[in-house]
Amino acid sequence: KNQVEQSPQSLIILEGKNCTLQCNYTVSPFSNLRWYKQDTGRGPVSLTIMTFSENTKSNGRYTATLDADTKQSSLHITASQLSDSASYICVVSQLTTGGYNKLIFGAGTRLAVHP
Amino acid sequence: DTAVSQTPKYLVTQMGNDKSIKCEQNLGHDTMYWYKQDSKKFLKIMFSYNNKELIINETVPNRFSPKSPDKAHLNLHINSLELGDSAVYFCASSSDELSGGRNTEAFFGQGTRLTVV
Repeated sequence: KNQVEQSPQSLIILEGKNCTLQCNYTVSPFSNLRWYKQDTGRGPVSLTIMTFSENTKSNGRYTATLDADTKQSSLHITASQLSDSASYICVVSQLTTGGYNKLIFGAGTRLAVHP
Repeated sequence: DTAVSQTPKYLVTQMGNDKSIKCEQNLGHDTMYWYKQDSKKFLKIMFSYNNKELIINETVPNRFSPKSPDKAHLNLHINSLELGDSAVYFCASSSDELSGGRNTEAFFGQGTRLTVV
């Protein structure tokens, strides 16, 4: 079954601290892996996209890693800010028989950054 | 200057009614999607259209009928609404999702919160 599982479900950290969110997937055939940030009441916004051959990708204070062998990814947030409070969603793209990408979403990790 | 816009943002309606949600993108993208986010916050694809042609239909009840008058618009019409249809519905778009565009980013609208009472 094609699934994307994230941990932890929720996380509270103090402003300025670092944190790492985890994503495990069983999606096949794999096309790419994306991390999205979803603020409350808003649509998801893309942070990173990684293909099979990419191990790491950074976007400002966000760094994503991918181990395609173990089918695991992580999102590391450095020097957290209050505005980082959001849900972070791991999304794995499955290549369909028609050659199109089908996005399979994890449930997200809800991050709360406290002052 | 919204890239993907949905209307309405909130929709409260009674069981059995028929309602529509509109979506427009001004990014020039070829592919548009409808997703449903349930109470557990999972986002699941419902439909995907590429150049006005349906390419993905994820076992959605036929009470849901997408309509794409042109590639910048993908509207969602729902007949005979049920309590279980209550959710947040997101429209999204991306540039051509064929093999040449595997790593294209999907842009999401702000969502439409549908409440069926």
